[in-house]
Amino acid sequence: AQSVTQLGSHVSVSEGALVLLRCNYSSSVPPYLFWYVQYPNQGLQLLLKYTTGATLVKGINGFEAEFKKSETSFHLTKPSAHMSDAAEYFCAVSLTDKLIFGTGTRLQVFP
Amino acid sequence: GAVVSQHPSRVICKSGTSVKIECRSLDFQATTMFWYRQFPKQSLMLMATSNEGSKATYEQGVEKDKFLINHASLTLSTLTVTSAHPEDSSFYICSASWDRAQETQYFGPGTRLLVL
Repeated sequence: AQSVTQLGSHVSVSEGALVLLRCNYSSSVPPYLFWYVQYPNQGLQLLLKYTTGATLVKGINGFEAEFKKSETSFHLTKPSAHMSDAAEYFCAVSLTDKLIFGTGTRLQVFP
Repeated sequence: GAVVSQHPSRVICKSGTSVKIECRSLDFQATTMFWYRQFPKQSLMLMATSNEGSKATYEQGVEKDKFLINHASLTLSTLTVTSAHPEDSSFYICSASWDRAQETQYFGPGTRLLVL
């Protein structure tokens, strides 16, 4: 069965610092992988996705993630955090027709 | 592109009444729509998957008679919470996909339901 583990329910960084949100997945075959962001009282917005091809995926708002099959990871990074990046981030895996979400990581950005 | 809307954004109702939530894909035809439920500070839980013109497929533990889903067109799906009770209070989010592989889902802004 597929599953997604997001290490760290809360991550705090200073404005301008590196953002690293961790995601590990479990799947018997290479899955499709996604990162979504959710701002308070809003739906989810797709940040980026990996399906096939290049393992380093660039998304919106300066975020990127790298698919590492050997580590079964898909960590999300951003070189320099902005205050506006404060939100809840969800990693998700899809194999057939369903998205399985991780439990989410709340990112706080301090000035 | 790929905009999904939900209506209403927020609804308060009395216990025992039914509430209908609409999910629309505004600029694409959605072959599949999904309904999720999100409890405070938790992840999204898939409730059901609906394909246009066919019956919804419910996840284990979700009462299909309680949460009625209709996907009458390629741009509209509705979720009706029948005889709502306070424990049904939650944030309901829909998503839509246009590709058969359902590679990417586009999410609506969510509907906050409060049952008094």
